[in-house]
Amino acid sequence: QLQLQESGPGLVKPSETLSLTCTVSGGSISSSSYYWGWIRQPPGKGLEWIGSIYYSGSTYYNPSLKSRVTISVDTSKNQFSLKLSSVTAADTAVYYCARLLTMIVTHWGQGTLVTVSS
Amino acid sequence: QSALTQPASVSGSPGQSITISCTGTSSDVGGYNYVSWYQQHPGKAPKLMIYEVSNRPSGVSNRFSGSKSGNTASLTISGLQAEDEADYYCSSYTSSSLGFGGGTKLTVL
Repeated sequence: QLQLQESGPGLVKPSETLSLTCTVSGGSISSSSYYWGWIRQPPGKGLEWIGSIYYSGSTYYNPSLKSRVTISVDTSKNQFSLKLSSVTAADTAVYYCARLLTMIVTHWGQGTLVTVSS
Repeated sequence: QSALTQPASVSGSPGQSITISCTGTSSDVGGYNYVSWYQQHPGKAPKLMIYEVSNRPSGVSNRFSGSKSGNTASLTISGLQAEDEADYYCSSYTSSSLGFGGGTKLTVL
């Protein structure tokens, strides 16, 4: 059974870079059928797609975040990662990693809360 | 501001049917059949309920159905049950991006 697990700091200072990793188990990140992505949800608010990556490294980013986002993949570790630079309090959210079939989110990680505060 | 518009809340009594709308434009909902619906219970990750407008993943109750007309997609839940009380989000493909609706809180009275 496919499982995704987010890991990384739960507290990031303003202006710094948020870094998260998603470890995939029960399936290969190199599968040609799927994309892997990040979605976030500010407390009490809705969902926002951050971006997605194919195992080959091709990326797609939300235009509103594109200048600050980098998503990368490490097929040897079956992991993919998110970096979001120059964070502010508005970036405080639960961050989910996910598996996507084209633009359908088929599987979600449990989510990890990242708070931006000094 | 969400790309797709959903009502903030809907409610219904057990056994009744409800419909949640998701309105976009010809650049997203109206232009592609990549509309999905997700259910989210408090403190939990969302769960895929409907994909490609009207398809149900394995294991999802047939009480859940989806449709689309023009730029508006709809999720219908029939035979409402207490466990259906949750937040529901629509999503749609648009120009190499994925947009979500603002979410609808379903209350089962």
